[in-house]
Amino acid sequence: AQSVTQLDSQVPVFEEAPVELRCNYSSSVSVYLFWYVQYPNQGLQLLLKYLSGSTLVESINGFEAEFNKSQTSFHLRKPSVHISDTAEYFCAVMAPGYSTLTFGKGTMLLVSP
Amino acid sequence: DGGITQSPKYLFRKEGQNVTLSCEQNLNHDAMYWYRQDPGQGLRLIYYSQIVNDFQKGDIAEGYSVSREKKESFPLTVTSAQKNPTAFYLCASSPRVEDQPQHFGDGTRLSIL
Repeated sequence: AQSVTQLDSQVPVFEEAPVELRCNYSSSVSVYLFWYVQYPNQGLQLLLKYLSGSTLVESINGFEAEFNKSQTSFHLRKPSVHISDTAEYFCAVMAPGYSTLTFGKGTMLLVSP
Repeated sequence: DGGITQSPKYLFRKEGQNVTLSCEQNLNHDAMYWYRQDPGQGLRLIYYSQIVNDFQKGDIAEGYSVSREKKESFPLTVTSAQKNPTAFYLCASSPRVEDQPQHFGDGTRLSIL
């Protein structure tokens, strides 16, 4: 079985500052890793994913995440956040051959002016 | 545009009543999922279906039931046996269970009167 730990339930940050949202996972097998974003009262949208290949993955809106197998981490970073990035972010893991995603409990990113 | 439609957006139920949440997709996806979201808890899997007329229990299936009579539809019934049904319910789909990521609907918020 897999598990996901998002170490921070809430991360407050000022606009244009850098941010890192932490995600660690536990699994006895190789995994696929995902970050989803959820705006208030909406569903989840995929932000980025790691399936294989380059350990650094990027999204179209400036976020990036790096898969670190030795530290079992998949932290999400952005060098300069905007007010519009305020949302809840979920890390998720899936083992190839398994049927379902396992989600972390989420991190609320609060960007203020 | 293809997507997932959940209805209604808000739903109120009296104690002791069953209620059914609708989920329809026009993405031609084989796999569909139901999640429950509670504040600070992340997403927990209720049921999933890999193909028509087939479904499996997730982590918190007690008090819920589903059907999958059509590829496009995967309704969730919250029964009176569910002791704490107030939550945000999210439906998702993917081409197959092995294919990620999942696409999400905008959710239904269920409240008990």
